[in-house]
Amino acid sequence: DQQVKQNSPSLSVQEGRISILNCDYTNSMFDYFLWYKKYPAEGPTFLISISSIKDKNEDGRFTVFLNKSAKHLSLHIVPSQPGDSAVYFCAARIRGATNKLIFGTGTLLAVQP
Amino acid sequence: DAGVTQSPTHLIKTRGQQVTLRCSPKSGHDTVSWYQQALGQGPQFIFQYYEEEERQRGNFPDRFSGHQFPNYSSELNVNALLLGDSALYLCASSLGTGIDTQYFGPGTRLTVL
Repeated sequence: DQQVKQNSPSLSVQEGRISILNCDYTNSMFDYFLWYKKYPAEGPTFLISISSIKDKNEDGRFTVFLNKSAKHLSLHIVPSQPGDSAVYFCAARIRGATNKLIFGTGTLLAVQP
Repeated sequence: DAGVTQSPTHLIKTRGQQVTLRCSPKSGHDTVSWYQQALGQGPQFIFQYYEEEERQRGNFPDRFSGHQFPNYSSELNVNALLLGDSALYLCASSLGTGIDTQYFGPGTRLTVL
């Protein structure tokens, strides 16, 4: 049962344009959502997070949007840079489960110079 | 600061064997979580250790066990290896339940033949 889904295995965008990565979830008990970036041969690196009581969180070029009614999460990167090329995972935490995260399958972002 | 370190980097075992993977958390961190990432999938939570005790567990059989030492380092043991255990095993450390500050190591690539 895939509770967190990233339906796009890959995404290609031009440098300077917006990258939009999407994530859908099914469990209403998720109370916290995170995005991680992963380069080859490295572990995932925390990027940005959002609590279920908010609908937007911004950090520099990265913005995460949460639509609870649609159970949908998105990460916007503006402007995209070649160094942003990596696999992006969304993850969710079940309320009360502290550090236990449920990850999506990832989206490979390629930013073309 | 070395961050989260894991050893070995790569490991090849045969079916039925046992394996031990090791993790040293980031300096100042006291909580260690283990994840399994199969090819093309997102990381799956195995379990979490805090104060030398298993605090949470994912949907993994008893063949997967762990340990946390007084210096907060941790081991993941897998008995009676199956082909399906081939994966990247990630260790993540944090200070308590600081989920935004959870750092991942580069992982151990286990291949079961």
